[in-house]
Amino acid sequence: AQSVTQPDIHITVSEGASLELRCNYSYGATPYLFWYVQSPGQGLQLLLKYFSGDTLVQGIKGFEAEFKRSQSSFNLRKPSVHWSDAAEYFCAVGARNYGQNFVFGPGTRLSVLP
Amino acid sequence: DGGITQSPKYLFRKEGQNVTLSCEQNLNHDAMYWYRQDPGQGLRLIYYSQIVNDFQKGDIAEGYSVSREKKESFPLTVTSAQKNPTAFYLCASTGRGAPYNEQFFGPGTRLTVL
Repeated sequence: AQSVTQPDIHITVSEGASLELRCNYSYGATPYLFWYVQSPGQGLQLLLKYFSGDTLVQGIKGFEAEFKRSQSSFNLRKPSVHWSDAAEYFCAVGARNYGQNFVFGPGTRLSVLP
Repeated sequence: DGGITQSPKYLFRKEGQNVTLSCEQNLNHDAMYWYRQDPGQGLRLIYYSQIVNDFQKGDIAEGYSVSREKKESFPLTVTSAQKNPTAFYLCASTGRGAPYNEQFFGPGTRLTVL
C-alpha cells in the first residue's frame, strides 16, 4: 500500500536561514510526487510536482524538491526562508492512473523566527 | 477564473442536526473529493466521486453522505451519526487531462458542533 511519512511534525527556523522538509514514501512504482502548502484556515496550494525526468524540480515561491529513488525521498528545500513561509506543508503521492487516490503525509508545521 | 468554491466558510451546528457543506467547481473536472482535517492528523479521505451519479467511500465515511447529481457539484452532508464532526473540511477535484492527477483544493469549511 502507498504511504507517505514526514518525520518532522514541527520545524522552527530563523528568517533568512535555509530550510529542508523531509518526505519519504512507499510506492510500488515510480510515483507522482507533490508538495502542497497550507496557510492557517485556508485550502492547500500546490508548490511543485514531480512526474518524471529531471529529479530536481522547481516550484513557486522559491521552493525546490529533489526526488531520490534510492532513498524513496522527495525533500523540499528553500535557500532562504521568509516570514511569510510559515505554514503547514504536506507531501503527497499521487496516482499514475486516473481514479486512484492521493495519499498525503501528516504534514510539517513550519514556524519562522524574526 | 476557474476554481473550487466551498460554502459556508464557517458553520455551526447543534448536536443531533444534519448539516450540508457545499462544494462547486468550474474546472470541468471529473473527479471530486472530500477530506477531513484535524490538527496533527493531516488529510483523511471521506468520500470521492470519479463520475456523475457515482461515488465511493473513503477511509472515514461513517456518519457522512454525499451526492453527485451534477459534474460541478459534490455536496457533503454531516449527519447526526458522526460522533465528532468538529473539523476543517476540504473539497478537491482532479481532471482527466495531463497532469490529470493533480488535485486542486477549495478554501475549506470549518464546522463546529455546539
